[in-house]
Amino acid sequence: NAGVTQTPKFRVLKTGQSMTLLCAQDMNHEYMYWYRQDPGMGLRLIHYSVGEGTTAKGEVPDGYNVSRLKKQNFLLGLESAAPSQTSVYFCASSYPRWEGDYEQYFGPGTRLTVT
Amino acid sequence: QQQVKQSPQSLIVQKGGISIINCAYENTAFDYFPWYQQFPGKGPALLIAIRPDVSEKKEGRFTISFNKSAKQFSLHIMDSQPGDSATYFCAASPRVRVSGTYKYIFGTGTRLKVLA
Repeated sequence: NAGVTQTPKFRVLKTGQSMTLLCAQDMNHEYMYWYRQDPGMGLRLIHYSVGEGTTAKGEVPDGYNVSRLKKQNFLLGLESAAPSQTSVYFCASSYPRWEGDYEQYFGPGTRLTVT
Repeated sequence: QQQVKQSPQSLIVQKGGISIINCAYENTAFDYFPWYQQFPGKGPALLIAIRPDVSEKKEGRFTISFNKSAKQFSLHIMDSQPGDSATYFCAASPRVRVSGTYKYIFGTGTRLKVLA
């Protein structure tokens, strides 16, 4: 069981470039989330998905798009990167709460720098 | 209304001491309160969690104290060890029938350093 994996681990982009971050989970979780972590700001939810083919906006969605074409994968896209998007990005997944497991399982993170 | 306020931002404790991190919330619709531990270069991992129908939960050296009337909860680390040095996040999750989904609202984190 790999749990939650993220690709790539590190990336440097120039302003205006685009990229896609990939998250994969092998726990058959319905819910998946993308967070960004910035110093002093904690973890802020960007987008999330409650199942294959569905996505929804979180707290800080501007400048990002997501897709969940397969249950095990959740992609985060930056169409035109800006320096303000320099951050560490975490993906997480979880079961729905009615199944009794409330825990969100996090990946190892992607450190993105936009110059 | 959807915020979780966490303090202190950083904490230095001697080995064997007690580490205390506090969180406060406004939204009475929250019904699940986890604490996550994050080591440098790693993703956060669930440490311990509590629901508002109990006032305390203990797992080993880690205890959550919950005060529903004050809308506060705290993490106590007894006999703190250098291996506990990490960033700790509190979080709160709203009731599904209010929010419609299962999201966490995270605190801003506390960087704990335990001196050997």
